[in-house]
Amino acid sequence: GAVVSQHPSWVICKSGTSVKIECRSLDFQATTMFWYRQFPKQSLMLMATSNEGSKATYEQGVEKDKFLINHASLTLSTLTVTSAHPEDSSFYICSAHRTETQYFGPGTRLLVL
Amino acid sequence: GQQLNQSPQSMFIQEGEDVSMNCTSSSIFNTWLWYKQEPGEGPVLLIALYKAGELTSNGRLTAQFGITRKDSFLNISASIPSDVGIYFCAGILTGGGNKLTFGTGTQLKVEL
Repeated sequence: GAVVSQHPSWVICKSGTSVKIECRSLDFQATTMFWYRQFPKQSLMLMATSNEGSKATYEQGVEKDKFLINHASLTLSTLTVTSAHPEDSSFYICSAHRTETQYFGPGTRLLVL
Repeated sequence: GQQLNQSPQSMFIQEGEDVSMNCTSSSIFNTWLWYKQEPGEGPVLLIALYKAGELTSNGRLTAQFGITRKDSFLNISASIPSDVGIYFCAGILTGGGNKLTFGTGTQLKVEL
């Protein structure tokens, strides 16, 4: 149990376009999901907390208009990287909260050309 | 943001050896979690600890929640090649909601 999926697993886009990443909890409901960013050889950096039915909470330094989060149902949160630029290229990972534990998705590799 | 102090940063050991890594913090945590991450994938939960002093095993892995609630360790016994990866500790702070604070990671390499 406690499976989290992400789609797509990788995406290449042109600079200036927007990219949407989906995070789904497959076998449980999650009122809270989290979005992380990870650079090579570094730990995970929390970007925002996604709450079902309410606005996301962003960490300091993360632009909410740049990284749009929607948590429309108990099993789905989406992260949209708007007007992507090469510096947004990274590995994006979501997690879903369940009983004092977080279960992570497999990640989405974004490359902006 | 805050990170946990995790050591060692990397380990290069021989197959069959036991491995030990730990995380420390100046803050008190309610929950300690240990994850393993392989290249290009998300972290996979290994062990979850919820009470001070708790000692939990998962196969060849054993982890403990420190009595002071400021540290945790993970042991791997009789390492095998598939243990290769990066191990992260993570904790939930007292009064921190459900947000995780991550350790800096321990990269494990196993020599045949």
